[in-house]
Amino acid sequence: EVQLVETGGGLVQPGKSLKLTCATSGFTFSNAWMHWVRQSPEKQLEWVAQIKAKSNNYATYYAESVKGRFTISRDDSKSSVYLQMNSLKEEDTAIYYCTVTTRVSNWFAYWGQGTLVTVSS
Amino acid sequence: DIVLTQSPALAVSLGQRATISCKTNQNVDYYGNSYMHWYQQKPGQQPKLLIYLASNLASGIPARFSGRGSGTDFTLTIDPVEADDTATYYCQQSRNLPPTFGGGTKLELK
Repeated sequence: EVQLVETGGGLVQPGKSLKLTCATSGFTFSNAWMHWVRQSPEKQLEWVAQIKAKSNNYATYYAESVKGRFTISRDDSKSSVYLQMNSLKEEDTAIYYCTVTTRVSNWFAYWGQGTLVTVSS
Repeated sequence: DIVLTQSPALAVSLGQRATISCKTNQNVDYYGNSYMHWYQQKPGQQPKLLIYLASNLASGIPARFSGRGSGTDFTLTIDPVEADDTATYYCQQSRNLPPTFGGGTKLELK
C-alpha cells in the first residue's frame, strides 16, 4: 500500500522559515518524481515544486510564486522528500500535500493527507 | 501557464447524470494522449484521482465515473449520481510545466 505522510506544518510569522517532510512507503521511491502541491484557504490547488529521480540528475522545478524562496530535496535512503520554505509570506498559507508521479505516469495518483502551514503575525 | 476553467457549482438529483466541464486556454493533447486528469475531493480529505489521460478510470473507481474530451474541452460524467458523490471535482493538466488545476466544481444534490 502506497503511503505518503507529511509533517512539519504549523504557525509561523511572515519572513520566517519552515521545513516540511514527506515520508513515503509502498513504492520504489528512487524511481519516483516527487511533488509538493498546496491548497489555499479558498480551496484553489497550486503545484509548488518537483524533484525528479537520480537518473534525471535530481532535476528540480518550481512555481514562479515560490522560486528563490522554496527548495525541494529528497533522501532516497529514507524514501523522503522535503520542502524548505524561507521568507514565508501570508499568501503561502495553505495545506501542503506531497504527491508522486513517474516518467511514464505524470498524473497525481497518490496524495498524502497534507500538513497545514499558517503564515501570520 | 495553461489556464483551466470550471463552473463553480452544479446541483443534480440522486440517480441523475452529472456532467462537469473543464476548458483550457491551450491544447493539452500530445502524441495521441490528452494530458487531462480529474480528482475528487471531499471535505477534510486529500484529492483522489478519478480519471487520467482524459478517459482512463483510476484503480478502484466505480464505472459510474467517466471522462471524455480532447484538445481544449473535457468533461467528467457521473451516471447515476449517488449521495456519496457530493464533493468538489478538479481537473488538472500535465501537458506543460507547471501542472495547473481548475478552480473546482462543487457537486451538490437537489
